[in-house]
Amino acid sequence: EAQLVESGGGLVEPGGSLRLSCTASGITFNYAWMNWVRQAPGKGLEWVGRIKSKTDGGTADYATPVKGRFTMSRDDSKNTLYLQMNSLKTEDTGVYYCTTQSGCSSGSCNWGQGTLVTVSS
Amino acid sequence: DIQMTQSPSTLSASVGDRVTITCRASQTINSWLAWYQQKPGKAPKLLIYKASTLESGVPSRFSGSESGTEFTLTISSLQPDDSATYYCQQYNSYLWTFGQGTKVEIK
Repeated sequence: EAQLVESGGGLVEPGGSLRLSCTASGITFNYAWMNWVRQAPGKGLEWVGRIKSKTDGGTADYATPVKGRFTMSRDDSKNTLYLQMNSLKTEDTGVYYCTTQSGCSSGSCNWGQGTLVTVSS
Repeated sequence: DIQMTQSPSTLSASVGDRVTITCRASQTINSWLAWYQQKPGKAPKLLIYKASTLESGVPSRFSGSESGTEFTLTISSLQPDDSATYYCQQYNSYLWTFGQGTKVEIK
């Protein structure tokens, strides 16, 4: 059974940086395309970005609100996905989930429990 | 970007009622549409993928359908455990987009 565990959330001041991690088990991580999805308090789901597997090029794509500030990377030897968040804004506050379609028939059946990021002075 | 317009934003219904939630895509998404259920403090749970295929383990009272760019999630007989927020999501484009969500309350 797939398991995704996020970590690294916390309180940071506007303009600061934070790095989130997502460690996977139960999936063939090196072949998995991985995504980050976030949810502001009391709001809906928002896709943040996706990184392809290294065999498919390893490139990342981002949603417009985070482009140029957030960077996704992966360490396949550690089955871990990262989200480096720089120049954080108050509107980046929310729960960040990692998710993948790997191991699913279609759609995204595997989600982590989420990690809370709070950007506030 | 593909926009997903979901309605209603909230609905209140009684146990046993038939409930319908609609999502409209701004362009064709070739049936690449999923429905998720989310309960407070929890991650989303996949219910339906490819517009109408029920995810393994999901009760058969949930169903999905499509007509062009309009997609529907139906709960045939609402149960107390179905109290949650439901989201549609298109994954035709790598740039996923979600509907605004529908909060389902039990009367």
